[in-house]
Amino acid sequence: EAGVTQFPSHSVIEKGQTVTLRCDPISGHDNLYWYRRVMGKEIKFLLHFVKESKQDESGMPNNRFLAERTGGTYSTLKVQPAELEDSGVYFCASSQPGHGFTDTQYFGPGTRLTVL
Amino acid sequence: AQTVTQSQPEMSVQEAETVTLSCTYDTSENNYYLFWYKQPPSRQMILVIRQEAYKQQNATENRFSVNFQKAAKSFSLKISDSQLGDTAMYFCAFIFAGNNRKLIWGLGTSLAVNP
Repeated sequence: EAGVTQFPSHSVIEKGQTVTLRCDPISGHDNLYWYRRVMGKEIKFLLHFVKESKQDESGMPNNRFLAERTGGTYSTLKVQPAELEDSGVYFCASSQPGHGFTDTQYFGPGTRLTVL
Repeated sequence: AQTVTQSQPEMSVQEAETVTLSCTYDTSENNYYLFWYKQPPSRQMILVIRQEAYKQQNATENRFSVNFQKAAKSFSLKISDSQLGDTAMYFCAFIFAGNNRKLIWGLGTSLAVNP
């Protein structure tokens, strides 16, 4: 079974440009999460999809970030326009609800975004 | 506020020896789950071990075990018989039971296993 995949693995863009990150969850996983790790800081939650619906987007930094999950399969995270502080590693995770306890999140390799 | 503290930014251990990584957390919730994840240099985040807060018995997974002290809000990870492949960044995290499924993370501990 394929794990969570993310594309690209690394992106370098100029300030003001647009970048779109993609995440393909484990097949059949309804839950999809985006997290971000800025250098020197904790990994922070961005948002959570249940199928195609946004369950929780309380961690999204501002309206320059747009996440979608059309059809409840893969997800994209677009940053437009990118700012210097958006640099970091963006992780995607997916999970499937278990029975009696919370589900375990499985992570992709991350996309390292560098904004110059 | 819910926080996770990993007080050891870097650690090293000799191959075959035992090492303990510390983690403390702060929450007013009673039902939650604790995790240790590792991220090797190849960058894929991997689940190491998980612990349900309502269970008193410490979780173990082969060479990995935890010392969970709920009253002290402590969740340390012990790695026995360290191997070179254990070299990685280790993250402690927790999540509340129920619908709020966001993981709350520590800063991580970079562990180097030396030959």
